[in-house]
Amino acid sequence: DIQMTQSPSSLSASLGDRVTITCRASQDIGNYLSWFQQKPGKSPRLMIYGATNLEDGVPSRFSGSRSGSDYSLTISSLESEDTAIYYCLQYDKYPNTFGAGTKLELK
Amino acid sequence: QVTLKESGPGILQPSQTLSLTCTFSGFSLSTYGMGVGWIRQPSGKGLEWLANIWWDDDKYYNPSLKNRLTISKDTSNNQAFLKITNVDTADTATYYCATIAAISPFDYWGQGVMVTVSS
Repeated sequence: DIQMTQSPSSLSASLGDRVTITCRASQDIGNYLSWFQQKPGKSPRLMIYGATNLEDGVPSRFSGSRSGSDYSLTISSLESEDTAIYYCLQYDKYPNTFGAGTKLELK
Repeated sequence: QVTLKESGPGILQPSQTLSLTCTFSGFSLSTYGMGVGWIRQPSGKGLEWLANIWWDDDKYYNPSLKNRLTISKDTSNNQAFLKITNVDTADTATYYCATIAAISPFDYWGQGVMVTVSS
């Protein structure tokens, strides 16, 4: 199975900060990487697919990038509504595998 | 507008079979490139992919559940199903179904259904 190592596991940042969350894939997954946001008591929401593509309706302060086997989700200027848990997902190979999640809180 | 809704038994006993239904609207599972997946999440923990079924009836399972999973669909009634045999307390979780498009997996999710396995 492909392991997705997500870091950090938790993150505290201030309003307006630039925030970056990273997932490292244990094997080549090309650009088959998505990012999800999950708020308490809610279903996950697709934010980014294909490593860099913004899902419709997602604010433009969110972006995705790739450097080799490292995939990053960046929030350019943190807003209060962005506090959530973020998960990456590789869907290049079965079984699809999620990262362990990053809990993003306001400082 | 795409919507999905999961339904299940709520509570069941160890060794029983869990049967889940995903009833959806706004798309068809007979459309080329469409799929539905099942994902679960124990309370306070992360997401675990379970299975996918595609428009052509192709099916994929998470091998970590050791052949306990069966995914199926009823295209006429816009439903997808997941069965998990021989459940254990470790199967206690919220179960989600979600759409899979050709380029963006799990773009629409149901609200989830909580399942508790307890004797």
